[in-house]
Amino acid sequence: DGGITQSPKYLFRKEGQNVTLSCEQNLNHDAMYWYRQDPGQGLRLIYYSQIVNDFQKGDIAEGYSVSREKKESFPLTVTSAQKNPTAFYLCASSISGGWSGANVLTFGAGSRLTVL
Amino acid sequence: AQTVTQSQPEMSVQEAETVTLSCTYDTSESDYYLFWYKQPPSRQMILVIRQEAYKQQNATENRFSVNFQKAAKSFSLKISDSQLGDAAMYFCAYRSASNSGYALNFGKGTSLLVTP
Repeated sequence: DGGITQSPKYLFRKEGQNVTLSCEQNLNHDAMYWYRQDPGQGLRLIYYSQIVNDFQKGDIAEGYSVSREKKESFPLTVTSAQKNPTAFYLCASSISGGWSGANVLTFGAGSRLTVL
Repeated sequence: AQTVTQSQPEMSVQEAETVTLSCTYDTSESDYYLFWYKQPPSRQMILVIRQEAYKQQNATENRFSVNFQKAAKSFSLKISDSQLGDAAMYFCAYRSASNSGYALNFGKGTSLLVTP
């Protein structure tokens, strides 16, 4: 079945450590996104990528980095510069361009990061 | 960035009854898209319904329908014949038709409780 796989589901990190969250999709979608979810805050956009080897900052990109070397993969690195990284992280993908069913975001199951 | 406001942090409905969740948004654009997503306790985001701003007809998906008032910038979700499985967080989201990236701006969500 096609879908988005995020791993790990739960991750614990010590302060000062970088950590990378994996996001893989087999939907042949062009665009991929990372959102952060905090209680009472909804979903906030961290980074997005419309095409391989290209990505743009979202609303809260500080302390995060991404890469898009393959169409299927969009890993997110939470760096030590991110002051409050404990959160639930959601990866999503969509067909890029146009409408007619495009641009509906399909989400992964999420990764919960806890900084100890 | 466009602002999406969900003024009801929590709502409650009895099984088989109807409930309406509110959403307003702020934009200067004339062409855009609106969505409602559901996030059950599993935290998997699921698309409920979507609306193109250029369409006057309100979207309907089985028991879910919207009341789209473009002039008022309002996009409420009506759930008819509520079921226990409808209990979840509901997020309203906006996407610009002209902005690049096709990312969604989300509201902070409404937690819906369904009582037997």
